[in-house]
Amino acid sequence: DTEVTQTPKHLVMGMTNKKSLKCEQHMGHRAMYWYKQKAKKPPELMFVYSYEKLSINESVPSRFSPECPNSSLLNLHLHALQPEDSALYLCASSHRQATNYGYTFGSGTRLTVV
Amino acid sequence: RKEVEQDPGPFNVPEGATVAFNCTYSNSASQSFFWYRQDCRKEPKLLMSVYSSGNEDGRFTAQLNRASQYISLLIRDSKLSDSATYLCVVTTRGSQGNLIFGKGTKLSVKP
Repeated sequence: DTEVTQTPKHLVMGMTNKKSLKCEQHMGHRAMYWYKQKAKKPPELMFVYSYEKLSINESVPSRFSPECPNSSLLNLHLHALQPEDSALYLCASSHRQATNYGYTFGSGTRLTVV
Repeated sequence: RKEVEQDPGPFNVPEGATVAFNCTYSNSASQSFFWYRQDCRKEPKLLMSVYSSGNEDGRFTAQLNRASQYISLLIRDSKLSDSATYLCVVTTRGSQGNLIFGKGTKLSVKP
């Protein structure tokens, strides 16, 4: 079992819906990440939080809104998504940003926008 | 030129074979190196970090050549359960920890 927990595992939403993806880790990691992965492609970075502060936003459209309520939780709020936003959304964490120890990924939320 | 390039694959090998994956990176400021494996429709999982001195974990050996900007992964005595996509991953000084992924190489181990 992964030590980074993501919910829900699957999500189908319409283009007018508002939904949230949740991520939780209790490893004491202080950096948390959102990645997006399309089929047969590597993961692409969306956002980085370091010590609960947003440190990287990779030019992600505003219909994706991250939130880090505390050091263990990371949310991704979704609103007015497009069908091309359908993908696997992965949360990851690490001891700190720019670590030599690798990142731990959650099992992801498979999102379908209809 | 892409930042991290890997063998295109796929690699189809029989059980017991030795398989070698190669990876090159373009940014000489790269500082951390990893191999991840990703099973179909699953998340990437850290297989091993890669160090200049080389490191081994059971049947897996990783090597890093900073001068050539080259990383390798060797799998000996391959098992059916080794079938997965292997991702070469790099972080670069100044990238604020962003993992830079290669496109991955798919390995299929056949009985």
